[in-house]
Amino acid sequence: QKEVEQDPGPLSVPEGAIVSLNCTYSNSAFQYFMWYRQYSRKGPELLMYTYSSGNKEDGRFTAQVDKSSKYISLFIRDSQPSDSATYLCAMIANYGQNFVFGPGTRLSVLP
Amino acid sequence: ETGVTQTPRHLVMGMTNKKSLKCEQHLGHNAMYWYKQSAKKPLELMFVYNFKEQTENNSVPSRFSPECPNSSHLFLHLHTLQPEDSALYLCASSQLQGGEKLFFGSGTQLSVL
Repeated sequence: QKEVEQDPGPLSVPEGAIVSLNCTYSNSAFQYFMWYRQYSRKGPELLMYTYSSGNKEDGRFTAQVDKSSKYISLFIRDSQPSDSATYLCAMIANYGQNFVFGPGTRLSVLP
Repeated sequence: ETGVTQTPRHLVMGMTNKKSLKCEQHLGHNAMYWYKQSAKKPLELMFVYNFKEQTENNSVPSRFSPECPNSSHLFLHLHTLQPEDSALYLCASSQLQGGEKLFFGSGTQLSVL
């Protein structure tokens, strides 16, 4: 079993749709969870950061962490063509550990 | 200046060349990383430096040689690369014991001919 699994897509949605992106993981020690957005041939950009379980909202983006199910989600409301990118989840247990990334989901928002 | 700066943005090199990638972080972080990203593959961790000391070498071939002269600068020296080494090379930094967030540069797109 891979440490972090993520549906690679591609996922195509119409503009204005609600998008749900998900990752599952196997290591219950993970405490810090991140979502990155990566445009083609660019570096990943930190989008959302969550510590432990719960929800976090930032504008059109909501990150959810369910540690009991080892499942994290990123919701994008009112999706825009500019949201078209690859979304990577990442997580880390603690100081001195390495960040573990999902393979990324490629999202296309069609105008 | 953006948080993590990488140069050059693009690099084309022959298999016998020697070149270096440069990374500088302006975030006051104490850990720096090199990642490799190939097409349709997940990010691969190559090297980690914590407080300028290398703490991770993820079975990377010796044709890749990292250097971290101080906590703000990181280099990746390249020599006798193979075509399969063509990829996006990403530098990142983080503040250990400070929230564990990872910040990336824009990357160097490397093509080996």
